[in-house]
Amino acid sequence: DADVTQTPRNRITKTGKRIMLECSQTKGHDRMYWYRQDPGLGLRLIYYSFDVKDINKGEISDGYSVSRQAQAKFSLSLESAIPNQTALYFCATSDHRGLGETQYFGPGTRLLVL
Amino acid sequence: QQQVKQSPQSLIVQKGGISIINCAYENTAFDYFPWYQQFPGKGPALLIAIRPDVSEKKEGRFTISFNKSAKQFSLHIMDSQPGDSATYFCAASMSNDYKLSFGAGTTVTVRA
Repeated sequence: DADVTQTPRNRITKTGKRIMLECSQTKGHDRMYWYRQDPGLGLRLIYYSFDVKDINKGEISDGYSVSRQAQAKFSLSLESAIPNQTALYFCATSDHRGLGETQYFGPGTRLLVL
Repeated sequence: QQQVKQSPQSLIVQKGGISIINCAYENTAFDYFPWYQQFPGKGPALLIAIRPDVSEKKEGRFTISFNKSAKQFSLHIMDSQPGDSATYFCAASMSNDYKLSFGAGTTVTVRA
């Protein structure tokens, strides 16, 4: 969905490096999420934010941190990347004013940690 | 530990056939059950969703069947088409926090 953009789309990094994945949305939604997708494990929630001042850990937050710079921007950082963080990362948004449950996903960032 | 268990991991169906994907959950507080469809190189997108006050919901060729007592729900794709080839994820959430718990995904391949 072009309304949710992620940069970069692909990234190769080395063990121990700090990297940041960025997400921007033009949907005007207040809720934003970061997931990682691994084969056979589906999508797992890393962090989520219900508004600019609200940050919450998901089920697999260890080794990750986030920043909600504005309503439209939500960044995910890997402080010291390790190979098992190699995965496909998705940002998603949702709107509490509607049903609130439909999540709109970005195109994903494919990360390889060597 | 995954809160929503999905099967099968993959399936192949002939064009015009029926694809069936099953999901099971344990948390009885879940009250919203969506299915997401993901094409290669794309993010997942909502396909269809159901709440437990109904046992079935149909949208075009896609139907969700819901069995509250068994804590199971399934997606049926009728008259499967090659364009339906994708990965399908079931999910569940509680309406008071909107966090989605996803199943592991099913890769559906429709052969022409």
